[in-house]
Amino acid sequence: GQQLNQSPQSMFIQEGEDVSMNCTSSSIFNTWLWYKQDPGEGPVLLIALYKAGELTSNGRLTAQFGITRKDSFLNISASIPSDVGIYFCAGRANAGGTSYGKLTFGQGTILTVHP
Amino acid sequence: GAGVSQSPSNKVTEKGKDVELRCDPISGHTALYWYRQSLGQGLEFLIYFQGNSAPDKSGLPSDRFSAERTGGSVSTLTIQRTQQEDSAVYLCASSSYAGGYTFGSGTRLTVV
Repeated sequence: GQQLNQSPQSMFIQEGEDVSMNCTSSSIFNTWLWYKQDPGEGPVLLIALYKAGELTSNGRLTAQFGITRKDSFLNISASIPSDVGIYFCAGRANAGGTSYGKLTFGQGTILTVHP
Repeated sequence: GAGVSQSPSNKVTEKGKDVELRCDPISGHTALYWYRQSLGQGLEFLIYFQGNSAPDKSGLPSDRFSAERTGGSVSTLTIQRTQQEDSAVYLCASSSYAGGYTFGSGTRLTVV
């Protein structure tokens, strides 16, 4: 079945530093999504990417949909303590801009930010 | 409702007992999903409902797991004869056609 490899598994950084994490897939996805999960909560969508090569920003977050449609990265600039949490990539195989259909998730990146 | 509501938030059960987990999706969302998250792992897809039917239930790990949805709204995930490896957080999400997923806070299931 489809698998997503997400790296790094964890990161320990100083406040103000930039962060980069990425996901690679063994198969093509037509939608890439990045989520953040806080303890005791469900994942919350940060950025959605629908087109190969697309580069999208949301405040200090920037994500790109790889040209091959088999990878994506997320950058966080000027990190702050509230960026702490687990970040997940997710891919959806079906095309057409719909949100319907299952997501395949990466294993997550645990981010710790030291003040 | 305003968000996806799951109940109970925590459930401790004895090995071999049956459990039912409930999900109330966002009103008007026709799609509903169940995922399982084991400690330190990503989310594992279980089943997807479109209305009351389940076009994709490929992620259910065994025949001890079943789910239903009634009235195009509330869904129940049932685990029969629970085993210790069933211990996990069970997350429900709902979506509209183009509105993206919204997840609930999950049910933490512990089988002792």
